[in-house]
Amino acid sequence: AQSVTQLGSHVSVSEGALVLLRCNYSSSVPPYLFWYVQYPNQGLQLLLKYTSAATLVKGINGFEAEFKKSETSFHLTKPSAHMSDAAEYFCAVTVNTGNQFYFGTGTSLTVIP
Amino acid sequence: ETGVTQSPTHLIKTRGQQVTLRCSSQSGHNTVSWYQQALGQGPQFIFQYYREEENGRGNFPPRFSGLQFPNYSSELNVNALELDDSALYLCASSWTGANSYEQYFGPGTRLTVT
Repeated sequence: AQSVTQLGSHVSVSEGALVLLRCNYSSSVPPYLFWYVQYPNQGLQLLLKYTSAATLVKGINGFEAEFKKSETSFHLTKPSAHMSDAAEYFCAVTVNTGNQFYFGTGTSLTVIP
Repeated sequence: ETGVTQSPTHLIKTRGQQVTLRCSSQSGHNTVSWYQQALGQGPQFIFQYYREEENGRGNFPPRFSGLQFPNYSSELNVNALELDDSALYLCASSWTGANSYEQYFGPGTRLTVT
């Protein structure tokens, strides 16, 4: 079975500061990893995905994530936070069958002006 | 390209009742997955439908059931509603194949059980 752990249920950063949201995964087979963003009262929007190609993945809105097998991590970063980045962020994992997805408990990002 | 749509947006039911939620998948997608998201939690995988068959299931009891239709739209049925079933129910569509597994989510149906 697979699982993800998101360390830090709440993260606050100043506008313009680095954003780092942590995700660690557990999987006995090569994982496929995803980051999603959820704004209040909305569904989830895909930010980026890792599917066994390049380990550094670039997504939308300036976000990127690096797959580190040795650390079983897939942390999300953005060099400079913007007010519009305030939202809930979820890390998710599946494997090559793609028929079961597991989400973390989420990290709420607050951006301080 | 039409995105994923869900109906209704909000629903209030009484404990013990049954409910049906509906989802229209994004154009070109052949797979639908359903999730339950309790307040302040991450989405929990309920099940996935591919080619009108259940293709994977999470840790949910049999009173959670589904259907997928030839046009790839889907229904989630929940029988004997319990208070803990109150949640946001999310539908996600995807294309099975090409090792993509990108899921596109609808806005959800907010179910309240009283």
